[in-house]
Amino acid sequence: GNSVTQMEGPVTLSEEAFLTINCTYTATGYPSLFWYVQYPGEGLQLLLKATKADDKGSNKGFEATYRKETTSFHLEKGSVQVSDSAVYFCALSDTLTGGGNKLTFGTGTQLKVEL
Amino acid sequence: EAGVTQFPSHSVIEKGQTVTLRCDPISGHDNLYWYRRVMGKEIKFLLHFVKESKQDESGMPNNRFLAERTGGTYSTLKVQPAELEDSGVYFCASSQVGVSQETQYFGPGTRLLVL
Repeated sequence: GNSVTQMEGPVTLSEEAFLTINCTYTATGYPSLFWYVQYPGEGLQLLLKATKADDKGSNKGFEATYRKETTSFHLEKGSVQVSDSAVYFCALSDTLTGGGNKLTFGTGTQLKVEL
Repeated sequence: EAGVTQFPSHSVIEKGQTVTLRCDPISGHDNLYWYRRVMGKEIKFLLHFVKESKQDESGMPNNRFLAERTGGTYSTLKVQPAELEDSGVYFCASSQVGVSQETQYFGPGTRLLVL
């Protein structure tokens, strides 16, 4: 079945440091890929997505490129801020029989950014 | 526009008791999903509704779990009787039917603790 593997946290960085959170996937076909973020006390929010190979998703300074050859979708940000502290989830989307899409998530990576 | 809401935000019950979780999706979203995150592991799919119709419940762990969506609006997830391993965070998500269906909007989750 489909699966998503992402680097374990927690990841602790200083403000303005470069961020990479690795994500690789196993899937049949070519699923859409997502990064969701969960800020403390809040629900999951879609951060960015890519629907086909070589697509780059971007939002709020974060970027991720859909790499079919390495089955990866690594999340990057050039300069993190304290407000980026959150848990980040990589996910892929499967079309369900009868419509709709099932998301398969990684375990989540907690990011803590310090001054 | 209101987002996905879930009630209660937290629930602490004893083993053997019954708990009912509620989810109100975004108005007009026919797709409704339930997911669960247990003990810091990955978020796992439980089931999917299109309007009031249960389309896929392949992720439901066992017959102690019952989900309903009468009238195609809000949904409930009942656990009866609850067991220790049911502890976790239960997320609800909704999406539109059609081109935008891959983008799921999540609620803040219900934290369930079974003692």
